[in-house]
Amino acid sequence: GAVVSQHPSWVICKSGTSVKIECRSLDFQATTMFWYRQFPKQSLMLMATSNEGSKATYEQGVEKDKFLINHASLTLSTLTVTSAHPEDSSFYICSAHADRNPSDTQYFGPGTRLTVL
Amino acid sequence: AQKITQTQPGMFVQEKEAVTLDCTYDTSDQSYGLFWYKQPSSGEMIFLIYQGSYDEQNATEGRYSLNFQKARKSANLVISASQLGDSAMYFCAMRHNDYKLSFGAGTTVTVRA
Repeated sequence: GAVVSQHPSWVICKSGTSVKIECRSLDFQATTMFWYRQFPKQSLMLMATSNEGSKATYEQGVEKDKFLINHASLTLSTLTVTSAHPEDSSFYICSAHADRNPSDTQYFGPGTRLTVL
Repeated sequence: AQKITQTQPGMFVQEKEAVTLDCTYDTSDQSYGLFWYKQPSSGEMIFLIYQGSYDEQNATEGRYSLNFQKARKSANLVISASQLGDSAMYFCAMRHNDYKLSFGAGTTVTVRA
């Protein structure tokens, strides 16, 4: 149990285009999902917290107009990188918080590698 | 402020030997959770083990054990009988009251045959 999927697993796009990344909890309901960004050989940086039915909460320094987050249902959150530029190239990972388990573990998706040309 | 420190950027271990990955943390919360995740080259974050701040016993999950020393604010991961498939980056993380996770810088483990 506690499987999280992400789609696509990788994407290459031209500068100026928008890219949507989907994060789904497959076998549990997730009231809260998190979006992270990771540069090569670095740690995960939390970008935003996504709550079902409400606006996302962004971490300091993260542009909310640049990284649009929608948490439409208890099993789906989307991250849209708008007007992508080469500096947005990174590994984006989502996680879902499973309320049901005692440890409140976050389960992570497999990640999406974005390359902006 | 919540902070996680992993001081070992990289470690080499011989196959079948044990390895200890260090993690110290700083928090003013009374209740918190500590996690270890494994990230192989594929990028997926794999949950390994969890320790609650009120848990009296050290957590164990198969070959993974967490050496929790609350007074020292340390939560070291011990991997016993290392296997080649254990080669990966390992992250220590702490859960805040709002369920957010703070991650350490990570430790790259390379298992040698």
